[in-house]
Amino acid sequence: ILNVEQSPQSLHVQEGDSTNFTCSFPSSNFYALHWYRWETAKSPEALFVMTLNGDEKKKGRISATLNTKEGYSYLYIKGSQPEDSATYLCALSNTGGFKTIFGAGTRLFVKA
Amino acid sequence: DTEVTQTPKHLVMGMTNKKSLKCEQHMGHRAMYWYKQKAKKPPELMFVYSYEKLSINESVPSRFSPECPNSSLLNLHLHALQPEDSALYLCASSQGQGGQVYGYTFGSGTRLTVV
Repeated sequence: ILNVEQSPQSLHVQEGDSTNFTCSFPSSNFYALHWYRWETAKSPEALFVMTLNGDEKKKGRISATLNTKEGYSYLYIKGSQPEDSATYLCALSNTGGFKTIFGAGTRLFVKA
Repeated sequence: DTEVTQTPKHLVMGMTNKKSLKCEQHMGHRAMYWYKQKAKKPPELMFVYSYEKLSINESVPSRFSPECPNSSLLNLHLHALQPEDSALYLCASSQGQGGQVYGYTFGSGTRLTVV
């Protein structure tokens, strides 16, 4: 059974703060790890897909790392802005890739 | 066109009704997915279609019936639903198997209420 855990459930930060969240997953049968950003009333938007142990990806102020051996990924946001307020979901694809299981997300609130 | 379009956005139906949810994409993606999400819970995988064939059914009750009439369309037919089936239904598509290069492209969902 695939179980993806995200922490914290929610996070309140001030504008300009840097922050990070964790995604934990079983390391067996790993295929890919996804991160999505989901703003209220919009569609989840893909941020990163990582497949290799040690992968690091960056998009603007957001970056992510992957450790498949110990089963975790971190998402970092540098200098948070109010527009970063959203739910950040991680998702694990198992071997074969069709079955992608989501975590419950980290809800980020950035106060101006 | 880089979107997945879901209709309707909101649906209220009675337990004896039959209704359908529709999902459309014109990105040439050959894998399409239905997820169900209840409040504060992770999206749960329901069905996966690959090249218009059903490849995964996550033991979903038969009152939910998926259909993929062509490579751009994915439907979810609903019949005799229960109030606990009320949820946000998300459709997604991906270029390759499991979206391992670019991830999934999601629609904005259909908010279903069963009364």
